[in-house]
Amino acid sequence: NAGVMQNPRHLVRRRGQEARLRCSPMKGHSHVYWYRQLPEEGLKFMVYLQKENIIDESGMPKERFSAEFPKEGPSILRIQQVVRGDSAAYFCASSPTDSNYGYTFGSGTRLTVV
Amino acid sequence: SQKIEQNSEALNIQEGKTATLTCNYTNYSPAYLQWYRQDPGRGPVFLLLIRENEKEKRKERLKVTFDTTLKQSLFHITASQPADSATYLCALSGYNKLIFGAGTRLAVHP
Repeated sequence: NAGVMQNPRHLVRRRGQEARLRCSPMKGHSHVYWYRQLPEEGLKFMVYLQKENIIDESGMPKERFSAEFPKEGPSILRIQQVVRGDSAAYFCASSPTDSNYGYTFGSGTRLTVV
Repeated sequence: SQKIEQNSEALNIQEGKTATLTCNYTNYSPAYLQWYRQDPGRGPVFLLLIRENEKEKRKERLKVTFDTTLKQSLFHITASQPADSATYLCALSGYNKLIFGAGTRLAVHP
């Protein structure tokens, strides 16, 4: 059981480029959550997805950010036209049902925009 | 608006002592509360979940209390060890998601 896999671990993008962050949930988990963490700050909820459905995207900026969890393959968090303020650690978590159980987190993707 | 407060100051204690971390919340009535541990450069790791109808939960050296009247949870680590040094996050159940506090850094000194 490999746990939640995120890649890449580190990603450097120039301003204006696109960033694609991938997350494979634990086997048997159908719920995926994306969080963003800035240095010395807590985890900020971005989006909650189930297979082929976005359930709650209330924490995701309306512009430039999108997320998907296709029937086959990993969940993708996509940031278009990145800006310096997008630099952060992005964590993916999965759970077997809804959030009545603890989340299993990946090791995160550290995005640096230069 | 909903607010979760954890001690922003780092907690420094001596090995063997009990560490107590606090999580307060306002404008909120969560069905349950969770505690996570986060080490530098890593994702959070789930430790304990306590429901609103439970006063206390234990797991090995860990104990969590949940007072819905005070809107507070206390997280205790007994017989602390240097390996317990990390940031501890409390998280409250929200609609469709967990809402995290900023975390408290614990340093256990030998």
